[in-house]
Amino acid sequence: KAGVTQTPRYLIKTRGQQVTLSCSPISGHRSVSWYQQTPGQGLQFLFEYFSETQRNKGNFPGRFSGRQFSNSRSEMNVSTLELGDSALYLCASSLSDSLGYTFGSGTRLTVV
Amino acid sequence: AQSVTQLDSQVPVFEEAPVELRCNYSSSVSVYLFWYVQYPNQGLQLLLKYLSGSTLVKGINGFEAEFNKSQTSFHLRKPSVHISDTAEYFCAVSAPRAAGNKLTFGGGTRVLVKP
Repeated sequence: KAGVTQTPRYLIKTRGQQVTLSCSPISGHRSVSWYQQTPGQGLQFLFEYFSETQRNKGNFPGRFSGRQFSNSRSEMNVSTLELGDSALYLCASSLSDSLGYTFGSGTRLTVV
Repeated sequence: AQSVTQLDSQVPVFEEAPVELRCNYSSSVSVYLFWYVQYPNQGLQLLLKYLSGSTLVKGINGFEAEFNKSQTSFHLRKPSVHISDTAEYFCAVSAPRAAGNKLTFGGGTRVLVKP
């Protein structure tokens, strides 16, 4: 059974640019969440999608957005990149609330 | 809102010795509790979870955790660690009825297993 796949694994962008990260959940999982991991702030929740609808959102500026497609694949977009957006972005999928999340290996974004 | 505190940021331990990682949480509603492990340059792997029922939960790789409602704790233990247990461990909570499927994480505990 394939796990959660995130692409790309590594990304280097320049301040002011925008970036799109992709996540393919485990087959059958309809809930997809995104987290940002930084040394200073730790793991922080960005948003959760379920059946193409955003079900929950964390405390991030509007530059951070996401979407989910009918096949449950999800993308997150960060516009007008800032140096502080450098982080590991983790995607996770779940079959139900009680089963916990399966995480992907993450996309490491470096903003220069 | 929920919060999670992991009381130790780093725990050095000798191989084959026991280890305990402490986790305390705060929530005004009932929660699910999780422990995840992160190896270098990887995502998070679920070790175990507590939803309800027996307060002693057994997970993968010989780990177990005990839920203590009165002390709002969910400490993780392993009786004998291996070099391969060197990693960062995260305690997390979710409150599905109040906050959906969002996980709130503690700051993490780095475990360094020494030979």
